[in-house]
Amino acid sequence: EIVLTQSPATLSLSPGERATLSCRASQSVSSYLAWYQQKPGQAPRLLIYDASNRATGIPARFSGSGSGTDFTLTISSLEPEDFAVYYCQQRSNWPRSFTFGPGTKVDIK
Amino acid sequence: QVQLVQSGAEVKKPGASVKVSCKASGYTFTSYGISWVRQAPGQGLEWMGWISAYNGNTNYAQKLQGRVTMTTDTSTSTAYMELRSLRSDDTAVYYCARDFGSVAYDYWGQGTLVTVSS
Repeated sequence: EIVLTQSPATLSLSPGERATLSCRASQSVSSYLAWYQQKPGQAPRLLIYDASNRATGIPARFSGSGSGTDFTLTISSLEPEDFAVYYCQQRSNWPRSFTFGPGTKVDIK
Repeated sequence: QVQLVQSGAEVKKPGASVKVSCKASGYTFTSYGISWVRQAPGQGLEWMGWISAYNGNTNYAQKLQGRVTMTTDTSTSTAYMELRSLRSDDTAVYYCARDFGSVAYDYWGQGTLVTVSS
């Protein structure tokens, strides 16, 4: 089973700063990686799919990069509404399964 | 607009079963798969499995094999997730989500809290 590791566990930043979140897979997942944002009491919200494609309606300050085993979510300039938990998700082909990383919490410094 | 509306909160005793529904609207139900994801209190997201709304094919997480069944009713555009032999560590918010592309879920239900307690 492919395991996803996210770092750091917590990122303390101020509005306007740049956030760089990492997701590493235990083996290659090609570009089968997505990123979600989740706020307390809400369902996750899709930000990035296929490693680098922004979902509909997602602001341009969110970008994703990487392939294989190392992926990055970058928020170029944090807005107040961006403080949340971020999860990465991968798909394995055999057996077909999906797993999530443990999450990175971005909180206000 | 696309909506996934889930059934209400449930309280169950250990050993019981729960069946959560997810009613879809705003799109052609049979054109997308539905996945189920759960989140224990204060914890991360756990993928439970997937069902094709087109032909009913399923794929379940290995740790839940034998306890979970996912079905759909295309006449009402509703997906169901049944979990049996409930344990206290099944206490979680259960989400349905619509498949998008190779690896993503673009629309999510509002979540259903299932509490397992004696």
